[in-house]
Amino acid sequence: KQEVTQIPAALSVPEGENLVLNCSFTDSAIYNLQWFRQDPGKGLTSLLLIQSSQREQTSGRLNASLDKSSGRSTLYIAASQPGDSATYLCAVNDYKLSFGAGTTVTVRA
Amino acid sequence: EAEVAQSPRYKITEKSQAVAFWCDPISGHATLYWYRQILGQGPELLVQFQDESVVDDSQLPKDRFSAERLKGVDSTLKIQPAELGDSAMYLCASSPGQGASTGELFFGEGSRLTVL
Repeated sequence: KQEVTQIPAALSVPEGENLVLNCSFTDSAIYNLQWFRQDPGKGLTSLLLIQSSQREQTSGRLNASLDKSSGRSTLYIAASQPGDSATYLCAVNDYKLSFGAGTTVTVRA
Repeated sequence: EAEVAQSPRYKITEKSQAVAFWCDPISGHATLYWYRQILGQGPELLVQFQDESVVDDSQLPKDRFSAERLKGVDSTLKIQPAELGDSAMYLCASSPGQGASTGELFFGEGSRLTVL
């Protein structure tokens, strides 16, 4: 069974600092990996989708990398802003989608 | 912008009562999912539909939960009777693809259930 881990569970940084969020998974035979953002009490918003054949994907200040062989993905958020405060979840698709518990980010003004 | 619609946003019910949630996916999306999310945890799949057919309901507590997608468009998730442990966020998601190549998932705002 696929196990997805996100460490740390919570992170607090000053505004302007770059964010590095980690996601690890146990089975490398995946189709794709997706990063989501979740605001308190809300649904999930898709940030980036990386196919298994890709090494990275970029959207604005966001960059996600994928290393299947080591079972890791990293989400980088450049020049963080208070509006980036949220919980970030990764989901691994190996035919069944498995979610991590998320990293809750607080960006201090 | 197309989005997944869910209702109600909030539901408070008493133990042993029946409750139902509705989801309308993005138009044209063949795959529909119902997830349950307990506070502080990631979502867990309850049921996955491909058009009107159930693809995976292995984690659905079938003694009290049921789900249908009769015409392959919108879907209803029902709980009867509700138990205290059912208090959670119920999330609906849809995807344009089929099977493993489902591609990107799009979520609705969720339905927050509180069972008293």
